[in-house]
Amino acid sequence: SSDLTQDPAVSVALGQTVTITCQGDSLRSHYATWYQQRPGQAPILVIYNMNKRPSGIPDRFSGSHSGDTASLTITGTQAEDEADYYCNSRDSANYPLRMFGGGTRLTVL
Amino acid sequence: EVQLVQSGAEAERPGASLKISCKASGYNFPNYWIGWVRQMPGKGLEWMGVIYPDDSDTKYSPSFQGQVTFSVDKSINTAYLQWGSLRASDSATYFCARSMNSAWDFDTWGQGTPVTVSS
Repeated sequence: SSDLTQDPAVSVALGQTVTITCQGDSLRSHYATWYQQRPGQAPILVIYNMNKRPSGIPDRFSGSHSGDTASLTITGTQAEDEADYYCNSRDSANYPLRMFGGGTRLTVL
Repeated sequence: EVQLVQSGAEAERPGASLKISCKASGYNFPNYWIGWVRQMPGKGLEWMGVIYPDDSDTKYSPSFQGQVTFSVDKSINTAYLQWGSLRASDSATYFCARSMNSAWDFDTWGQGTPVTVSS
């Protein structure tokens, strides 16, 4: 399958650590990129090339990769991290095009 | 400051044509890919494709090939997304975004253009 699969929803207590995962065959060969989208806003790039953070992204955001799974970890989650998170990677069936995962809604309790 | 500013919300009838815009500023427009992303109401992001302004090289996702057209006007640093004949299923918010690298990672996004197609 060329899909990227994410859990639809995840919750985390304020200040705790949460990991959001993305699974797909294409991830065996290609890194994932992660975007954050708050309600009513445009997406923001938070992680690219598996674990690189753009300027301005807090270091509590980190990325990792193993086999067919990419992970986004938020350490010391803040209230403002409540958002939808989308992974993005190459579409192996239509290389070099890209595709998004279905998204994970993160709720901060 | 790198910035993408998109045109405003649109409301059209089925069968109408439409062209929305994405104006870039703060960087050398011809040398960075521009991507387009669809978000249907209450749904996730969909990768539509990219265009390289310098030579208009274009890559469409299979789901959007033949359904939309990407174009640019380098003289005014603007990218366009257009439809020849809108359908109700085209109702969505459309984002343009700048690619920071050849992997098409989007580091700057426009604010989005909502398009409503209804009779």
